Amino acid sequence: GAVVSQHPSWVICKSGTSVKIECRSLDFQATTMFWYRQFPKQSLMLMATSNEGSKATYEQGVEKDKFLINHASLTLSTLTVTSAHPEDSSFYICSAPRQGTQPQHFGDGTRLSIL
Amino acid sequence: SQQGEEDPQALSIQEGENATMNCSYKTSINNLQWYRQNSGRGLVHLILIRSNEREKHSGRLRVTLDTSKKSSSLLITASRAADTASYFCATDANGAGSYQLTFGTGTKLSVIP
Repeated sequence: GAVVSQHPSWVICKSGTSVKIECRSLDFQATTMFWYRQFPKQSLMLMATSNEGSKATYEQGVEKDKFLINHASLTLSTLTVTSAHPEDSSFYICSAPRQGTQPQHFGDGTRLSIL
Repeated sequence: SQQGEEDPQALSIQEGENATMNCSYKTSINNLQWYRQNSGRGLVHLILIRSNEREKHSGRLRVTLDTSKKSSSLLITASRAADTASYFCATDANGAGSYQLTFGTGTKLSVIP
């Protein structure tokens, strides 16, 4: 069964809305989680590294004020797309490694469509 | 870009044939992993090969790694229609404990029944 749960799986909303996506590790604690963005027919691009109890580390070109990350507990990281616009429409995926091991476990992704 | 390259971008084969996908990367690595993604879904881990390994098998999967050429290949033998998916290589290049992965561009495999 899934070890990382991502919710919601699909969001359609109006331009200007803020959208929160949750990523939960179900049977292990994750001090680190990763957020990716995937455009159609393209690969995964790392957006940010979510660190429990501290600030997220953002990749170059990713606006931290636009994509707010909160990793408030050892099993939950949230990504909030603030004031979303049509260009933010994409597939967002989270992942979490079990401490000290590879590979990573991925959520099932969130399809975000901004009208 | 640090992203790896995969070829072919798309591959269409008949059921029962073998499928080979190649991955090239740019930096030194700790390990290389292959993942599968069904359309509109998350990624599923297939196999991990460490930098000091040259070949690894798992069921119908065979992975090779050539660190001198910074390349890897994934072979799926006796393909099935259910193998239809996109396949990505990913490299773990940072220091121990980082877990950060860099993904290749992916190969879309279609297996025709």
